[in-house]
This record gives sequence, structure tokens and C-alpha cells, in this order.
Amino acid sequence: QLQLQESGPGLVKPSETLSLTCTVSGGSISSSSYYWGWIRQPPGKGLEWIGSIYYSGSTYYNPSLKSRVTISVDTSKNQFSLKLSSVTAADTAVYYCAREPMVRGVIKDGMDVWGQGTTVTVSS
Amino acid sequence: DIQMTQSPSSLSASVGDRVTITCQASQDISNYLNWYQQKPGKAPKLLIYDASNLETGVPSRFSGSGSGTDFTFTISSLQPEDIATYYCQQYDNLPRGFTFGPGTKVDIK
Repeated sequence: QLQLQESGPGLVKPSETLSLTCTVSGGSISSSSYYWGWIRQPPGKGLEWIGSIYYSGSTYYNPSLKSRVTISVDTSKNQFSLKLSSVTAADTAVYYCAREPMVRGVIKDGMDVWGQGTTVTVSS
Repeated sequence: DIQMTQSPSSLSASVGDRVTITCQASQDISNYLNWYQQKPGKAPKLLIYDASNLETGVPSRFSGSGSGTDFTFTISSLQPEDIATYYCQQYDNLPRGFTFGPGTKVDIK
């Protein structure tokens, strides 16, 4: 059974870079059938897609965050990672990673497997 | 950018009631619309994909319909375990991206 697990610091200082990793177990991140994505949820608020990556390294980002976001993949470790630079208190959120099925390059279904989420607080 | 709205933002209903949530897109999104359930402190769970398809293992009391700009999510008979916030999500392939609606919180009366 596929599982995703987020990890990284729970506290980040303002202006610094938030770094998180999602470890995929029970399946290969190098499958041609999936993108892998990051989604966040500020306290008491809704969900925001941050971006997605394919095992080849192809990425797509939310235009509202694109200037600060980098998503990368390490197929040897079955992991993908998120870096968000110049963080402020507005970046405080629960960060989720998720699997995004696709067929022939187009999105299929929805985000069908999610990690449990990790809370990141931006504060000095 | 495509904007998603949901109504109502919250509702309270009795066990056994039929519950309906609507989601509207700011432009035609065909059937590129998914529905998720999120219980407090948990990750979202995919319930409906491509507007009307039930995800494997999801109870049949959940259903979705619609296309274009207007979509509906229905719980045919509300159960206590359905207490959650429900989100619609549109997706696009050119370029690839996702936008969530603001959510609808469902409580038991």
C-alpha cells in the first residue's frame, strides 16, 4: 500500500527558506503514471496547491507562489522535496504531499493518496 | 485564473437528511472537477473525480454531478461519520494546475 510521509523543520524564521521532504513508500516515485504534488493549508483556512513534479524533473507551480517555490525529486531515495524561500507568517500552514495520477500526460482522477501533513510555523 | 466558489459555506443537517453542496467555476471547466472530504486534523480524501465518478471504496451515498461551470455534490443520507469539510477542486492541463474551492463545513443538527 502506497504511503507518503512529510518531514522537515516545524519552525522556520521569517525571510528564511522552508524545506520539506516527502518520502514515498510501498511504490516507486519513478512510475510514469503519476505526478507528485505539494498542497498547504493555513490554520483554519482552505487548501492551496503549491506545485507538482514528475519523476523526470518536470515541474508545474502555482503562479501565485512560483517566484519563491522550487520542487525537486530524488528517485534514488524515492523522495521529492519542497523549498519555499523568503517565508513570512502567511506561509504558516500544514503542508501535505500527494500523488496525482495521470494518463498520457494529462491529469486523471484527483489527488488520490495523501501524506498525513506536517505543520510549519514561521516565527522568530 | 479560474475562481471557484462553493455554497453554502456551512450547513447543519440531521442524520438521514439529504445534503447538497454547490460549486461554481468562473469559466467553463468541462468536467474537470473533483470533490474531497476533510475531517478535522486529517488529510483530505478524494471522494468524487471528474465531476461524477465515485472513487473506489467510497460509499454510494456520495454523488456528484454537473459540467461546465455548475456542479453539485450530494450526500443522499447524512451519517454521523460524514461530519467534515468538503472541498471542490478544479484542474487544468494547459498548463497543469489545481484550484480548490473555499470549502463547505457540514455538521450534525
